[in-house]
Amino acid sequence: SQTIHQWPATLVQPVGSPLSLECTVEGTSNPNLYWYRQAAGRGLQLLFYSVGIGQISSEVPQNLSASRPQDRQFILSSKKLLLSDSGFYLCAWGRTGNQPQHFGDGTRLSIL
Amino acid sequence: GQQVMQIPQYQHVQEGEDFTTYCNSSTTLSNIQWYKQRPGGHPVFLIQLVKSGEVKKQKRLTFQFGEAKKNSSLHITATQTTDVGTYFCARGPNAGGTSYGKLTFGQGTILTVHP
Repeated sequence: SQTIHQWPATLVQPVGSPLSLECTVEGTSNPNLYWYRQAAGRGLQLLFYSVGIGQISSEVPQNLSASRPQDRQFILSSKKLLLSDSGFYLCAWGRTGNQPQHFGDGTRLSIL
Repeated sequence: GQQVMQIPQYQHVQEGEDFTTYCNSSTTLSNIQWYKQRPGGHPVFLIQLVKSGEVKKQKRLTFQFGEAKKNSSLHITATQTTDVGTYFCARGPNAGGTSYGKLTFGQGTILTVHP
């Protein structure tokens, strides 16, 4: 069966510090991979998605970047965090763009 | 464009009452998916509807896809406290569209159930 791992579960970072969140998928190959951000009580904002190694589509201009160095690994990064980067970050995978997405447990990021 | 409008934003019900959330699009949907996110948790896929007029049931949950494939609804009969959470609809990309590879989520309906 397929599983998705996302870590850490919570993270507290100072403004201006770098960020690296990692997501890995097991049990499937060539998945579509997604990074979402969710503000408290709000909807899902798609940040990046990838349909293959090295292929990244950015949905909104922001302080973040994403990379897919391996087929089942998706990394969300920032060189300098802003207060507005706080939120709940969710990684997800799907077989294709039309197929259901399966989410990781998420990372709660607080910027101080 | 590819947006989906979901209403209501919030719904408070007494345990045992019914609940419905609606998802609407100005353009034809290739498919519609529904997800549930429990408080503090991550979204979990519930169901996918593809055919015009399709109706699917999961115990007390009934999912409908409109005849014109521009709207969908999720109805919960006799809500229980375990139903609390946020319900999202999501549309898949249309063939030839610019949203290849991704879903577009509605803003969600937050359901609270008072015991």
